[in-house]
Amino acid sequence: EVQLVESGGGLIQPGGSLRLSCAASGFTVNTNYMSWVRQAPGKGLEWVSIIYSGGSTYYADSVKGRFTISRDNSKNTLYLQMNSLRAEDTAVYYCARVAYYESSGYLRHDFDIWGQGTMVTVSS
Amino acid sequence: QSALTQPRSVSGSPGQSVTISCTGTSSDVGGYNYVSWYQQHPGKAPKLMIYDVSKRPSGVPDRFSGSKSGNTASLTISGLQAEDEADYYCSSYAGTYLFGGGTKLTVL
Repeated sequence: EVQLVESGGGLIQPGGSLRLSCAASGFTVNTNYMSWVRQAPGKGLEWVSIIYSGGSTYYADSVKGRFTISRDNSKNTLYLQMNSLRAEDTAVYYCARVAYYESSGYLRHDFDIWGQGTMVTVSS
Repeated sequence: QSALTQPRSVSGSPGQSVTISCTGTSSDVGGYNYVSWYQQHPGKAPKLMIYDVSKRPSGVPDRFSGSKSGNTASLTISGLQAEDEADYYCSSYAGTYLFGGGTKLTVL
């Protein structure tokens, strides 16, 4: 079964650090484009970061310089290292796979597989 | 880049049709055919309903359809059913990924 399972969320003080994990099954993380998307309580979705199959990484301006996306191929797991956390980072964090056209392998620019989410609360 | 603009809420009775709009700019919605729509029930992860403006993933009922005109994309749900009540989000590729603020669909 194709699925993503996040873990690592919790309550953290402002200025603290947290690492989120996203374990994949049914497909290989390092041959796909993978993203993190977050949702603040009662708010909409916000794209956070992406890692390309080739290893390039990109971030939303709101987290640039504080968050780092990475992967461990041996564990087939995606990570999000979050440093210098702020109250406005409080959200459910989802990992998601960027879809691709099966016939060509080209990127489709939508998210076809989502994890269940992990809650991060930044508060003193 | 700003988020895409969606109505806060829409409603319809069972069997009726509703349309949710998603307005962006020529740099996102109008510039790419990479508009997608997601359904999210309370406490659940988003689910892909439409991609590439108007294509449905396998398993999504054909009651769901998408379109685009200029800088505005639309999701139409026909033959409304109770289980369609959810939040709906549009998204557009624009170098990075933009989402709309979400629309709450109420089935009366």
